[in-house]
Parts: sequence; C-alpha cells; structure tokens
Amino acid sequence: GAVVSQHPSRVICKSGTSVKIECRSLDFQATTMFWYRQFPKQSLMLMATSNEGSKATYEQGVEKDKFLINHASLTLSTLTVTSAHPEDSSFYICSARAGPSYQPQHFGDGTRLSIL
Amino acid sequence: DQQVKQNSPSLSVQEGRISILNCDYTNSMFDYFLWYKKYPAEGPTFLISISSIKDKNEDGRFTVFLNKSAKHLSLHIVPSQPGDSAVYFCAASEGQAGTALIFGKGTTLSVSS
Repeated sequence: GAVVSQHPSRVICKSGTSVKIECRSLDFQATTMFWYRQFPKQSLMLMATSNEGSKATYEQGVEKDKFLINHASLTLSTLTVTSAHPEDSSFYICSARAGPSYQPQHFGDGTRLSIL
Repeated sequence: DQQVKQNSPSLSVQEGRISILNCDYTNSMFDYFLWYKKYPAEGPTFLISISSIKDKNEDGRFTVFLNKSAKHLSLHIVPSQPGDSAVYFCAASEGQAGTALIFGKGTTLSVSS
C-alpha cells in the first residue's frame, strides 16, 4: 500500500519551455501533498505544501509564479515549472500524506528535469 | 542553519554486522521523526518512524532510538545485508501540527559481503 506515482521520470527540454509534473497517490487519498527539490549530494528541500482544494503554501525563496502547484483532487497534484531555464534543472520529488499528522509521507520516484 | 544534521556522510559495514546511523536535531518543537532509504534515481522509501512519546521503535531488522534530552536519534540495522546499501535520510517534523518534513543531508551506507 501507500504507492505514489510521479510522471514523467525524466524531461529534457529547451529553455523557455513550461513543464508539468504529475504526482498521484494510487491507493490512498492524500489530504496533503508536498513538492521537494534535490540538488546533487544535498538533502531534499521542501518547495511547497499543497492541500486539496486550497492554494499551495510556498517556502521562502520559492517563486510561486515560477512553480505553479495545483492539487485539484485527493489523488492528484501537479507542479508546473513555467518558462524553465537551465538553473531550474534539478531532481523534483513529490510526496503524499494520508492524514493530517503523525503520518509518514510516501514519495514518488522523482522527475529529473534537464533544461538545455 | 540546519535543523536536522547527519554528520556522517558515509558508513561502511560488513554483512551480518550492525549498522548504526546517527542524526541530531536542533528544533525542540520536533516531535515526529522518520527514517527513509533512497536508491539513486528513485524517491525515498519510508522505513520507520518514532514519536517523541517513545524512546524506541522496532520493526524487523530496523530499530530507531530517540534521546530527546540529547536531541539525537539513531537507526540500527541488524543484521546488515548488501541490499541495505543506499542513502539513508533522517527527517523530522512537528507531527501534531502536521507540518512538512525537514530532512538531513543523508548518510550513504555500504554493506559489503
């Protein structure tokens, strides 16, 4: 149980392109989903928290107009990197949590984004 | 300033022996702690968690110990197996508030046969 699917696993695209990444909880309803970014040999850094049906809460330093998050249902959240540039190249990982507290987050397999 | 620290970037252990991974935290509001295992190009996999009302939680070969006074937790893997070789992340949150996880930088465990 507790499977989170993230798609696509890898994206290579030109600078200026917008890229959408999907995160789905396959066997549970996720009241809260999270988006993280990981730089090489670094920890996972939280970008934003999204609750179903409400606006995402972004961490300090994360541009909400650059990284658009939509959590339209209890099983799907999307992250759109708008007008991507080479500095946006990174490993993006989503996670989902079934309950409001004391519940582990379950992670997708991540998306390797490479902007040329 | 890092709130969750894993000061050992790597650990090498022989198969069958015990692996001990350590984690320190600074935020006294943290009351929920988790360990995740991560293989390259995959997302982290949840291993085990502990809330601050406990000092030990065990699940098969994995045991997590929490020392609140020292703000320290550790993950013990006994016996270690080659398949345990991965990056292990310690994470913490204010569980009651349902906040997001704060991760350490990870420790790469290598188990040799």
